[in-house]
Parts: sequence; C-alpha cells; structure tokens
Amino acid sequence: QKEVEQDPGPLSVPEGAIVSLNCTYSNSAFQYFMWYRQYSRKGPELLMYTYSSGNKEDGRFTAQVDKSSKYISLFIRDSQPSDSATYLCATPSEGGSEKLVFGKGTKLTVNP
Amino acid sequence: DTAVSQTPKYLVTQMGNDKSIKCEQNLGHDTMYWYKQDSKKFLKIMFSYNNKELIINETVPNRFSPKSPDKAHLNLHINSLELGDSAVYFCASSQGQGATSSPLHFGNGTRLTVT
Repeated sequence: QKEVEQDPGPLSVPEGAIVSLNCTYSNSAFQYFMWYRQYSRKGPELLMYTYSSGNKEDGRFTAQVDKSSKYISLFIRDSQPSDSATYLCATPSEGGSEKLVFGKGTKLTVNP
Repeated sequence: DTAVSQTPKYLVTQMGNDKSIKCEQNLGHDTMYWYKQDSKKFLKIMFSYNNKELIINETVPNRFSPKSPDKAHLNLHINSLELGDSAVYFCASSQGQGATSSPLHFGNGTRLTVT
C-alpha cells in the first residue's frame, strides 16, 4: 500500500462551489500533513500545513485531519477560477521526516 | 527575485546522450532536493543535499548523479539517457534539514523529453 493515496480526479465544479479534496495515508505515526497547489507548468507551492488532528483554516481554505480513519481533507469555499490547479497532499515519509511523500494530486477546474 | 531557478526549462534529447540540469536558490536555504514528476503527475524524491552533503539518495539508477558545488547550487547530471527518463524534474529547497521544519520551495521544473 502506498504511503499516501489520493483520487486523481479530474474534478470540475462551477464557480462558487464548495470543493472537497481528500487523501488517505497508511502510517498512523504520521503527524504532519501538507497541501501543495500546482498550477499548470509551475512548481508546487505550499498551501496549508497541519499538525496532528483537527482543522486549520486560512481564508477560503480549510485543512482537516482525521487520524482515526487516516484521512486528510482540503475544503475550498466559494471556489474561484483562479483555484483551478492540481492539489497534492503530502506527509513526511515512514523513512524519516526529511523525506516528503506526495499523493498523485487531484486536478481541479473551477468553471466561471 | 528570490526564487529557486532551474535551467534549462525544456530539454529534448536522444537516447544515450548525457545531459545536465542546473539549479540555484537565493533563499539562503540549507537543503536542496531533486524531485521527479512522471507523466501521471506522481512527484517522487530523488536526492537531497544539506550544506553540500548528500542526505537522501533514493533508489535511483546510478546514471543519475547530483552535484552540489555550494549550498546554493544543486545540479543533476544524467548519463546514457533512456526513454523512461522523460519526466519533469523539479529542484526544491528548504531552510532546515527535515521536511517538517520548513516548507519546500520548488522551481518551475525542467521538462525532459528523451526520443
């Protein structure tokens, strides 16, 4: 089983919709979870960073971790066309905190 | 601008050739990385260097050889290129040594196509 699994989509929503992006992970010892956003032909950029369980909110974005089910989510409220990108979840690997492992990414398109 | 910059942006070459990709960061970071993103968008770490010292060396063919002349530069040399090497190669940097100590800053990638 891969360390991080993510539904690759693609996901297409109308502007203003609430978007839910999800990942599952394998190692219950994982403590740190990140969401990166990657625009087309660009490098990934850190969007959200959470530690352990619970929610973290930043503007229209909310990151949620459910350690009991090993599930992490990113919610986008009032989605905008500028949110169209690939979203990658990430966590330090079982092999050590210096290695970051990524999900395959979910491609999101927000239609005006 | 402060950034992680990679050259070249695009690289098209034939099987069997040797090529290099260069990376520079002016963020003052201690750690630099090479990641490979395949056609299915899967991003996987290849190498990392901390202050010119190799920290991570994933199961990568020894045709790939990273070199860090100083902590602001990390180059990737690839010998005897194969079709399967076609991918986007991303350089990244971070302040600390661990993936949790500070976020990764990525360059915009080098799109390698081997024909």
